[in-house]
Amino acid sequence: QQQVKQSPQSLIVQKGGISIINCAYENTAFDYFPWYQQFPGKGPALLIAIRPDVSEKKEGRFTISFNKSAKQFSLHIMDSQPGDSATYFCAASRWTGGFKTIFGAGTRLFVKA
Amino acid sequence: DAGVIQSPRHEVTEMGQEVTLRCKPISGHDYLFWYRQTMMRGLELLIYFNNNVPIDDSGMPEDRFSAKMPNASFSTLKIQPSEPRDSAVYFCASSLGVSGANVLTFGAGSRLTVL
Repeated sequence: QQQVKQSPQSLIVQKGGISIINCAYENTAFDYFPWYQQFPGKGPALLIAIRPDVSEKKEGRFTISFNKSAKQFSLHIMDSQPGDSATYFCAASRWTGGFKTIFGAGTRLFVKA
Repeated sequence: DAGVIQSPRHEVTEMGQEVTLRCKPISGHDYLFWYRQTMMRGLELLIYFNNNVPIDDSGMPEDRFSAKMPNASFSTLKIQPSEPRDSAVYFCASSLGVSGANVLTFGAGSRLTVL
């Protein structure tokens, strides 16, 4: 019940294309769904996050779509750029700070110039 | 703030040796998390502390692993004795545990290689 399933494992996209990463969770106690971005040799860093009271959140080229009934959420990267090449982790937690954050397995994105 | 500071950045040791990883969280953050990252298992939560007290250590793989947080500005993760399967990148993260602030700030990680 604590798992967060993420797909695909890796993704290659042409520059200017749309990158889509999908995640699914099981525990309905989760109410906070962040996405973290990790570059080689660095720790993960928060990219964008959503709570289930909205179905979509957009920040620049990054959009999270959320389907509460299906317990699924996805990250869309519009106009993908080579600088977006990184590993992306979806995660699930509680809005109230301190609850442990469970991460998906990660998606390695490579954007071809 | 300099962010979450971890040391050492790289550690190479031989099987059976003791390894100590260190973490300085962001000043004012009251939660501290230790994660382990491997290709096979991704990011695994090992243990987390609130106000220096361990809250959940269910992710600690076995008794060879121990973690302490003697004060608000310092934590250690110790492996004794180390084994080759412990080779991984160990991340420390901290957060401010008030409502609406469940954002983890990660350190740069400590890459451990056990030969």
